[in-house]
Order: sequence, then C-alpha cells, then structure tokens
Amino acid sequence: ELKVEQNPLFLSMQEGKNYTIYCNYSTTSDRLYWYRQDPGKSLESLFVLLSNGAVKQEGRLMASLDTKARLSTLHITAAVHDLSATYFCAVDMIVTSGSRLTFGEGTQLTVNP
Amino acid sequence: DTGVSQNPRHKITKRGQNVTFRCDPISEHNRLYWYRQTLGQGPEFLTYFQNEAQLEKSRLLSDRFSAERPKGSFSTLEIQRTEQGDSAMYLCASSQTGGPGELFFGEGSRLTVL
Repeated sequence: ELKVEQNPLFLSMQEGKNYTIYCNYSTTSDRLYWYRQDPGKSLESLFVLLSNGAVKQEGRLMASLDTKARLSTLHITAAVHDLSATYFCAVDMIVTSGSRLTFGEGTQLTVNP
Repeated sequence: DTGVSQNPRHKITKRGQNVTFRCDPISEHNRLYWYRQTLGQGPEFLTYFQNEAQLEKSRLLSDRFSAERPKGSFSTLEIQRTEQGDSAMYLCASSQTGGPGELFFGEGSRLTVL
C-alpha cells in the first residue's frame, strides 16, 4: 500500500523567512501534485510534477520532484501571511483500473507577521 | 461557473438516517472521484468512475455506502444508516483521461451525524 508522509505537519514561521516542506512516498511513481487548502475550503491545485527532476515555481513557492529518492519538496521563499494554509502533497498510484491520488496528512503552515 | 459543483454543502442528520450527496463534475471530464476528509487529515480515496463505470472502490467504502454515475455525468454518493463516524467532509473531484492526472475538487459536502 502506498504511504505518503509529509513533514513537518505543523510549521509556524515569520514573514520573510524561508522554509521547506518535505513529502516522502513509499512506492514507485513519477507523478506528484501539491495542493493548498484554506480552512473550511476545498483543495486548490498548486503544482503538477510529472517527471524526475521536475521543478515548478509560482511566486514564492517552488516544488521539485526526485523520483529516485521518492521525495518532493515545497520551498517557501520570503514567506508572507497570505501563504498561511494547509499544504498537501499527493502521489499518483497507477492501478490496473487507472490511477488515483493518495494524499499526505498535510502541513499546516502559519506565517506570523 | 464551470468548476466541480457539490450539494448540499452541509447536511446535519440523526444517526440511522440516510443521506445523499450529488456531484456535478467539469463537463468535459470523464473521470470522477469521491474522497472523504476528516479534521486534520488528508483526503482519503473512496471510489472513482470513468464515464459511468465504477472502476475502483476503497475498502473504506462499507456496504452502507453506494455511489452511482448513471449517465457518465453527475454522480451521487449515498450513505445508509448513518453513524457518527461518518461525520466528515465528502469531496468530489474530476479529471480527464490522458491529461496530467490533476484532480479538480469541488467545495465539498460536510456531513454531521448527531
């Protein structure tokens, strides 16, 4: 069974600082996704990583994928309060009937002024 | 709005009652997924459809749960004889075969079982 682990699960940081969230997964996959969720809201797609070495950047967030290490990172640069949310990584597991995403537990990020 | 639509957004029910949720996916998407999310956890896969065919069901989906997608468009998720442990957010998502596999989620239907 595919396991997806994120760390840290809780992250409190000051505005202007940098930090990295890690996502490890337990089986072979070359498709990984990052989502953002605000309290009481649904999930918003942030990044789609489809191959080893893929790197995507949007604003202060940058995501990368190392399929050999089964690791993805989400790097936050010069954090601002608006980035406060829960971030999930999800790994695509290919099954005989198609594919489906397995999510990590999420990293709850709080950016303090 | 052409996103994934779910209703009702919130349902409060008494233990033992039946509830049904509806999901309208993005119109050109042929895959539809149901996930369940409890507080502080990531979404857990329940089931998925490609067109009208239900291709996979999680073992989380007990016999009290049934999902349908009769014409390959909207889907319903019914929970019979609800239990307090069924209280959760039920999320629907859709995607397109052959695309990057990214799921587009609806706003969710929150179930509270008293």
